[in-house]
Amino acid sequence: NAGVTQTPKFQVLKTGQSMTLQCAQDMNHEYMSWYRQDPGMGLRLIHYSVGAGITDQGEVPNGYNVSRSTTEDFPLRLLSAAPSQTSVYFCASREVPYSYNEQFFGPGTRLTVL
Amino acid sequence: GQQLNQSPQSMFIQEGEDVSMNCTSSSIFNTWLWYKQEPGEGPVLLIALYKAGELTSNGRLTAQFGITRKDSFLNISASIPSDVGIYFCAGPSSNTGKLIFGQGTTLQVKP
Repeated sequence: NAGVTQTPKFQVLKTGQSMTLQCAQDMNHEYMSWYRQDPGMGLRLIHYSVGAGITDQGEVPNGYNVSRSTTEDFPLRLLSAAPSQTSVYFCASREVPYSYNEQFFGPGTRLTVL
Repeated sequence: GQQLNQSPQSMFIQEGEDVSMNCTSSSIFNTWLWYKQEPGEGPVLLIALYKAGELTSNGRLTAQFGITRKDSFLNISASIPSDVGIYFCAGPSSNTGKLIFGQGTTLQVKP
């Protein structure tokens, strides 16, 4: 099992550019989520999905879109990047929404918006 | 909304020392999770706690679920250089079920 994989590992964007952060898991987990990590603020939930075709907003969804067409993939799209979106982004998955002790994180994508 | 506050924010200790950190909230949590994040990596779960008063160990790590259900503690005994990282507490919101994370405690260990 590869677990949770994320690409790219690093990315630099200019303000206004768009891009997609990729996330994939091979554990057949129903629940997937995206977090952003900023210094001194812990991890904050951006969007999540409880299964293919179902997504919902987390704590800080503005400026981000997601879709879940397959169980394995959960891409995060930045439509028009802003400097405030400079952060480290983590994708995570767990088998079902309440299996908190079995949540696995990807290695992260470090995004800088100039 | 519910928040988790961790203290201290950072610690710089000598190898071999014991470490204590805590996580508090103004509201009740029914599950407490402790994660470690090493530099350049995603968080990894260390210990999960499900019952008030519960004390659980994982090697040199011991975590406790506070009796009031509003706090949790993590202790590391005889620290070693590979303990370096950021330690996060987390718990599911009683309102939404979504995981809430504390802001983290950064640990540095001097050999």
